[in-house]
Amino acid sequence: GEDVEQSLFLSVREGDSSVINCTYTDSSSTYLYWYKQEPGAGLQLLTYIFSNMDMKQDQRLTVLLNKKDKHLSLRIADTQTGDSAIYFCAERISGGYNKLIFGAGTRLAVHP
Amino acid sequence: DTAVSQTPKYLVTQMGNDKSIKCEQNLGHDTMYWYKQDSKKFLKIMFSYNNKELIINETVPNRFSPKSPDKAHLNLHINSLELGDSAVYFCASSQEVASTGELFFGEGSRLTVL
Repeated sequence: GEDVEQSLFLSVREGDSSVINCTYTDSSSTYLYWYKQEPGAGLQLLTYIFSNMDMKQDQRLTVLLNKKDKHLSLRIADTQTGDSAIYFCAERISGGYNKLIFGAGTRLAVHP
Repeated sequence: DTAVSQTPKYLVTQMGNDKSIKCEQNLGHDTMYWYKQDSKKFLKIMFSYNNKELIINETVPNRFSPKSPDKAHLNLHINSLELGDSAVYFCASSQEVASTGELFFGEGSRLTVL
């Protein structure tokens, strides 16, 4: 089946690192994504990783992909209050047309 | 210029009414989508159109009817609205071929059915 799972909440102190985890089901997924949603806004792409990569780094963001365990994580270094948002993991389903399946989202709260 | 724009942003209506949400993208993409986000923030795909052709149609009541007059527009019409239709509806677009498949989302249309 098509399913993406994430923990629902994460609370961190400002300046610490945040790690948001995700598991997916389609072992043939070509791309996996992290999206950010701020209150009252649409989803914005933060980063993506191609399935033949293990890691991708982009400034404060590090994505780790473990294909064997079908596990994806997003690490945000030096987390700031502006990082407070909901973070969605998504997988691109293999075969057929472009179809992204989203997790339920992880609500990140950053406190002083 | 807004890449993916939806109207209206807010819609409050009575049960049983019929309403439409419009979406336009100026990114030159060939594929457009409707997603529904419920009160728990769960995001579920409803429909997808590629070059005006319906390609993804998830298990959605037939009260929901998408229409794509051209590849830059995708509208959603909902008949006989029910309380459970209250949600935020997001339009998105992507380039189907030779791309990373990322979706570009609109700001959402919050539908409240009373």
